[in-house]
Amino acid sequence: DVVMTQTPVSLPVSLGGQASISCRSSQSLVHSNGNTYLHWYLQKPGQSPQLLIYRVSNRFSGVPDRFSGSGSGTDFTLKISRVEPEDLGDYYCLQSTHFPWTFGGGTKLELK
Amino acid sequence: EVQLQESGPGLVKPSQSLSLTCSVTGYSITSNYWGWIRKFPGNKMEWIGHISYSGSTSYNPSLKSRISITRDTSKNQFFLQLNSVTTEDTATYYCAREGWFAYWGQGTLVTVSS
Repeated sequence: DVVMTQTPVSLPVSLGGQASISCRSSQSLVHSNGNTYLHWYLQKPGQSPQLLIYRVSNRFSGVPDRFSGSGSGTDFTLKISRVEPEDLGDYYCLQSTHFPWTFGGGTKLELK
Repeated sequence: EVQLQESGPGLVKPSQSLSLTCSVTGYSITSNYWGWIRKFPGNKMEWIGHISYSGSTSYNPSLKSRISITRDTSKNQFFLQLNSVTTEDTATYYCAREGWFAYWGQGTLVTVSS
């Protein structure tokens, strides 16, 4: 299985500040069709995960432009600028290039 | 709008089978892929498997011998059966539309305990 190593586990931030979360895969996530299937989610307490970014850098409908994704191959980053209270929660990366799909271990974004 | 909702027993005894239903509205399950995911206490997430628009299935090899995903297209529902459960299967179970996993159910907590 592809191992997704997500860091940090906990990320204290100040409102209005910036946050960066890393996700590294144990093998390249470039599919044979040339696409890279790496996605980012936010899960708030008591809610199901919500899609933020799909295929590395594409913001899902309704996601503020404060969220941005980047990376390639095995190394990916989610950046959140101007952190707002509604951004707090657990962030996960997911790869759906190689079976079985696998998730990162999660990053808890919390107030400093 | 695509909506998914899980239903099923919240408590299952060890060695028994866990059965869950995912009811989908706003989109036909004869299009796209439909998956099951679980989140363990401690927050680890695991993809369980999926059923395709044609009814073919793919399963996580870690569970392959114990799981079955089926569907009823007339009711626009798909199902998860997990056999021979242990306490290690205690988790919140989610159904979702695959692709980018943009649509999820609200999740249902299943506890395995005698």
